[in-house]
Amino acid sequence: EAGVAQSPRYKIIEKRQSVAFWCNPISGHATLYWYQQILGQGPKLLIQFQNNGVVDDSQLPKDRFSAERLKGVDSTLKIQPAKLEDSAVYLCASSSLTGTGVRGYTFGSGTRLTVV
Amino acid sequence: DAKTTQPPSMDCAEGRAANLPCNHSTISGNEYVYWYRQIHSQGPQYIIHGLKNNETNEMASLIITEDRKSSTLILPHATLRDTAVYYCIVRPHFGNEKLTFGTGTRLTIIP
Repeated sequence: EAGVAQSPRYKIIEKRQSVAFWCNPISGHATLYWYQQILGQGPKLLIQFQNNGVVDDSQLPKDRFSAERLKGVDSTLKIQPAKLEDSAVYLCASSSLTGTGVRGYTFGSGTRLTVV
Repeated sequence: DAKTTQPPSMDCAEGRAANLPCNHSTISGNEYVYWYRQIHSQGPQYIIHGLKNNETNEMASLIITEDRKSSTLILPHATLRDTAVYYCIVRPHFGNEKLTFGTGTRLTIIP
């Protein structure tokens, strides 16, 4: 059974450039999350979608970050323009309606972004 | 903010039981205790969860105190592949409540 797919795996960009990350959740999972994980810290939620609607984006820096989930399946997270402090791993996760059990809340392997 | 407190790091000898503590003194009645771990360069992986009874699965055991203010994750026979950061999280069991991570415990298994 396929897990949460993310791409690219790694990305290096210069500051002020733009970048986009892609996530394909587990089939049938209605809820999708984007987390940011800075080195040495736990993941921090950026945005949560329920189907194609936003549930929580209170921690998303909206002046530079944007995310969408068209048709309630795949999602894209964009940063424009990037800053040095955006260097982090960006994790996508998805959950079933109950969010329980082994595959109830599953993470992808993440995209490691380095801004130079 | 995370509602749990964990030691920042622990070591355990290979083959021995690893016991990872977690304090969650403000846990609510509808919140479960979840444990996830994150191996280097991977996303967090679900381990186990529980409400008030002790739980065991193929990966680990979870011991929750009677007052539910603390818990211990037990890896019965630690291997080198268990080296990871372990996160203890409290969360309502049903619904789509986000997972709020603290800084976790970095467990190192010593050969």
